[in-house]
Amino acid sequence: EAQVTQNPRYLITVTGKKLTVTCSQNMNHEYMSWYRQDPGLGLRQIYYSMNVEVTDKGDVPEGYKVSRKEKRNFPLILESPSPNQTSLYFCASSVRDSTNVAFGSGTRLTVV
Amino acid sequence: GDSVTQMEGPVTLSEEAFLTINCTYTATGYPSLFWYVQYPGEGLQLLLKATKADDKGSNKGFEATYRKETTSFHLEKGSVQVSDSAVYFCALSEGYGGATNKLIFGTGTLLAVQP
Repeated sequence: EAQVTQNPRYLITVTGKKLTVTCSQNMNHEYMSWYRQDPGLGLRQIYYSMNVEVTDKGDVPEGYKVSRKEKRNFPLILESPSPNQTSLYFCASSVRDSTNVAFGSGTRLTVV
Repeated sequence: GDSVTQMEGPVTLSEEAFLTINCTYTATGYPSLFWYVQYPGEGLQLLLKATKADDKGSNKGFEATYRKETTSFHLEKGSVQVSDSAVYFCALSEGYGGATNKLIFGTGTLLAVQP
């Protein structure tokens, strides 16, 4: 089944403790991105990647890192999480220059 | 920059009522327009899309028409069901032909349908 898989679905952590949210897609998509969803703000793009080893900042990149060592994986790294990064995170992927975007099921992160 | 504005919620309707959720956009290019739906506890699913002016997207009884003259993409359904209760997001894809992958989202509208 074609899908975007994120893990974990839920995570509670403490301020400053490094964490990684994984994202994997099995559709051979070139383009992958991360969004965060906050009440009253909708979804905002954090980082995106056009292909392996090619990443760039989205609209709200502060406090996040990403890597794209393999085409299928695009992990989101929070080196030193803070409470303002408490949010619902979505990974997305698509064929490059396509309007068909697939989303993962989301990761609800709480930083205390 | 490009942006999407959609009506605030929550929208509360009785079953079989008519639904309209307004969405307007600002864009410098020729974006594609989308409606995504998020059911409770789930991720985003594409509901419908339109890629050029005057196109009508439709799915599951929902419709939206790409109106360039009013920069709008309002979502409508003639008769809502309890199972339509969800958060609805209007979005656009930037760039010529709307094919640059980045999506700009509205703030979302919560729809609650009561039996």
